[in-house]
Amino acid sequence: DSGVTQTPKHLITATGQRVTLRCSPRSGDLSVYWYQQSLDQGLQFLIQYYNGEERAKGNILERFSAQQFPDLHSELNLSSLELGDSALYFCASSFGRASEQYFGPGTRLTVT
Amino acid sequence: QKEVEQDPGPLSVPEGAIVSLNCTYSNSAFQYFMWYRQYSRKGPELLMYTYSSGNKEDGRFTAQVDKSSKYISLFIRDSQPSDSATYLCATMNNNAGNMLTFGGGTRLMVKP
Repeated sequence: DSGVTQTPKHLITATGQRVTLRCSPRSGDLSVYWYQQSLDQGLQFLIQYYNGEERAKGNILERFSAQQFPDLHSELNLSSLELGDSALYFCASSFGRASEQYFGPGTRLTVT
Repeated sequence: QKEVEQDPGPLSVPEGAIVSLNCTYSNSAFQYFMWYRQYSRKGPELLMYTYSSGNKEDGRFTAQVDKSSKYISLFIRDSQPSDSATYLCATMNNNAGNMLTFGGGTRLMVKP
């Protein structure tokens, strides 16, 4: 158990819908990262927050957004969902810069 | 060409064998190197975390980084059936945010 929690574990929804994925980092960690894992693209970085502020952005679609709250938990919002958004979404956390990143168990999103 | 290349396998070995897993990368700015183990449908688990060139040992695992040839390796001694998983190498350029760039993963099967 990495100490990073994610909810829900599974999510099944229809195209065009909007969902919110939630992540709680390890105790004391200030950075939260979101990654997407699909069969064809592998594990890809989406976005990073550090102590409430956006720190880095990867190949994140405009339909996707995230935020980190004062209690350091983070939410990833996915809207106008398409079939191709079906994937595993992982949250990771770290204490500071260049620190080890620990991953949560992931949320499996299925868009039908 | 992907920034981090990894042979997808599968790699099948008998129990007790020494396993060698490898990655190559193209960006010389990468400074930190990691190996993660991922069981099916689970979150990646951090195995090794190294900075710059050299070796690092932890139990049955040894990570090796050669920055001159942009080559990273993970050796597993006395492999066990419980080591059967997908192994992901990852790199980080600390000067461009802390996002991890992953290889595609190598699937390892250790047969009893």
